[in-house]
Amino acid sequence: AQSVTQLGSHVSVSEGALVLLRCNYSSSVPPYLFWYVQYPNQGLQLLLKYTSAATLVKGINGFEAEFKKSETSFHLTKPSAHMSDAAEYFCAVNVPNSPGNQFYFGTGTSLTVIP
Amino acid sequence: ETGVTQSPTHLIKTRGQQVTLRCSSQSGHNTVSWYQQALGQGPQFIFQYYREEENGRGNFPPRFSGLQFPNYSSELNVNALELDDSALYLCASSPHGGNTIYFGEGSWLTVV
Repeated sequence: AQSVTQLGSHVSVSEGALVLLRCNYSSSVPPYLFWYVQYPNQGLQLLLKYTSAATLVKGINGFEAEFKKSETSFHLTKPSAHMSDAAEYFCAVNVPNSPGNQFYFGTGTSLTVIP
Repeated sequence: ETGVTQSPTHLIKTRGQQVTLRCSSQSGHNTVSWYQQALGQGPQFIFQYYREEENGRGNFPPRFSGLQFPNYSSELNVNALELDDSALYLCASSPHGGNTIYFGEGSWLTVV
């Protein structure tokens, strides 16, 4: 079975500070991992994904994430927060070729950026 | 924007009624998935459609049903609405076998 745990439902950072959003996963087989961002009253937008290539993945808007198998983690980082980064962030796990290609999402982390 | 479009954007229904939500997939995508996102939660998988057939289902009762049409668009139908069905319903499309799904803006359903 697959599951995702996002530590910290709310994270606040100052503008220009490092952003670190934590994600740990559980999967019985090697998974694909994703980060999506959701702005208020909108759908989910793909930030980045890990699909068994390079373990350090770069995404849009300056975000990156590193897959660490030994720690079963896929934490999202950005060196310098911008006001426009304020949103809800979801980590998701997917097992390749599984029935329905089901994605399992965490409960989300709300990022607040303080000016 | 992903090219996945959903309608309606908002609707209000009464408990016990039925609702139909619609989704047009991104050009070139032949697989559609539906997710339910309750307030303050992550999306939960309802089901996926490929070649006009259900291709996988999450932990949702049979009153949640769907259709896929030859042009790959899809409908989500929910019968006998309950208050707990109030949520954002998200449609996502992908090419079959693709490792990424792309979401629409969602349909907000309120059941009163």
